[in-house]
Amino acid sequence: EVQLVESGGGLVQPGRSLRLSCAASGFTFDDYAMHWVRQAPGKGLEWVSGISWNSGSIGYADSVKGRFTISRDNAKNSLYLQMNSLRAEDTALYYCAKDIQEGIVVAAFDYWGQGTLVTVSS
Amino acid sequence: QSALTQPASVSGSPGQSITISCTGTSSDVGGYNYVSWYQQHPGKAPKLMIYDVSNRPSGVSNRFSGSKSGNTASLTISGLQAEDEADYYCSSYTSSSTLEGVFGTGTKVTVL
Repeated sequence: EVQLVESGGGLVQPGRSLRLSCAASGFTFDDYAMHWVRQAPGKGLEWVSGISWNSGSIGYADSVKGRFTISRDNAKNSLYLQMNSLRAEDTALYYCAKDIQEGIVVAAFDYWGQGTLVTVSS
Repeated sequence: QSALTQPASVSGSPGQSITISCTGTSSDVGGYNYVSWYQQHPGKAPKLMIYDVSNRPSGVSNRFSGSKSGNTASLTISGLQAEDEADYYCSSYTSSSTLEGVFGTGTKVTVL
């Protein structure tokens, strides 16, 4: 059974940093691209960042470019999101999501975690 | 990276068919056959319903179907049921130079 478990969320002041983690199991982690998707309270889904299976291809939404860094450790079956210079508008539930296609990135997400809540407030 | 455009709401009676549109550009929906659709019930994580424009994952009802014409993709729900009431989002791969994705604005489906 595929499982994605996010952690690392919490309350943080504007301008500070936070690192999210996603522990994956139930599939061959290093065969698939992975993504972070967020949802602000009462709002829609927003793709945040994605990383290919070998970290050779990485992308970010314009709203987080230069502030967030995605990475993965295939030996630990883990995905990370380093979030710096946090703003109030980064407040959201952050989901880890698995790409559906093996070996390539198509930004279609067949498995999702339950999310970790990040609240940016003074 | 502008969000794909969806109608805010669509409604239908049980048994009817409804269609949700998702309009993008030649850089996303029109440029790739990597359009997907998600169903989200309140307080739950999104669920993949359609990928690669028209493919259904295992376990998804065949009442859900997808298509694409030009820069607009569509999700059709036939034989509408009460449990179909949820928010629906489209998504597309959107760049050939760097890895990028984009979601639609979301559509609330109401079963009357």
